[in-house]
Amino acid sequence: GQQVMQIPQYQHVQEGEDFTTYCNSSTTLSNIQWYKQRPGGHPVFLIQLVKSGEVKKQKRLTFQFGEAKKNSSLHITATQTTDVGTYFCAAPQIGTDKLIFGTGTRLQVFP
Amino acid sequence: DAGITQSPRHKVTETGTPVTLRCHQTENHRYMYWYRQDPGHGLRLIHYSYGVKDTDKGEVSDGYSVSRSKTEDFLLTLESATSSQTSVYFCAITGGGTEAFFGQGTRLTVV
Repeated sequence: GQQVMQIPQYQHVQEGEDFTTYCNSSTTLSNIQWYKQRPGGHPVFLIQLVKSGEVKKQKRLTFQFGEAKKNSSLHITATQTTDVGTYFCAAPQIGTDKLIFGTGTRLQVFP
Repeated sequence: DAGITQSPRHKVTETGTPVTLRCHQTENHRYMYWYRQDPGHGLRLIHYSYGVKDTDKGEVSDGYSVSRSKTEDFLLTLESATSSQTSVYFCAITGGGTEAFFGQGTRLTVV
């Protein structure tokens, strides 16, 4: 079945360093969504990308959707301790509305 | 926050007993999902529903059944709980191709 692979699985950074997580699919995606889950919490929607090559920014977060619509990235500039959590990408399964999640990247930020 | 609640929030049950988790929404969204979350596996889709009495299996549906007799309620049943079903369960809702809203989660322990 359709899979959405996400790397890395874990990332530890010093506060102030940058962080990037990547999401890859073997099939073309209609759209891709990003979610953040704080420790002990539930996933919370961050953004949705729809267009090929789309780039969106939210303060220190930059989201990109690949030209082929098969990959995406989330980049955080100058991480802060408030960025700690697990970041998931998600995409609808081809031909359905089943939302399939990537395995997530857990970010730890050391002060 | 979207109107979505899960019950119970925590449950400890014995192996072999039936367990039902409830997800209730007040958003009138068409799509409802049940995911389980385990360390190293991210969010895995158990079942989803695309309307009243319309459900479909996800990637880890063995041992689980669901029912949706009303738009607002989506029930997940473990007919005979096993220790491998110890997990955190999340319900989510979407309007179709749009952002997902998650419940607070249910922590289930099977002893």
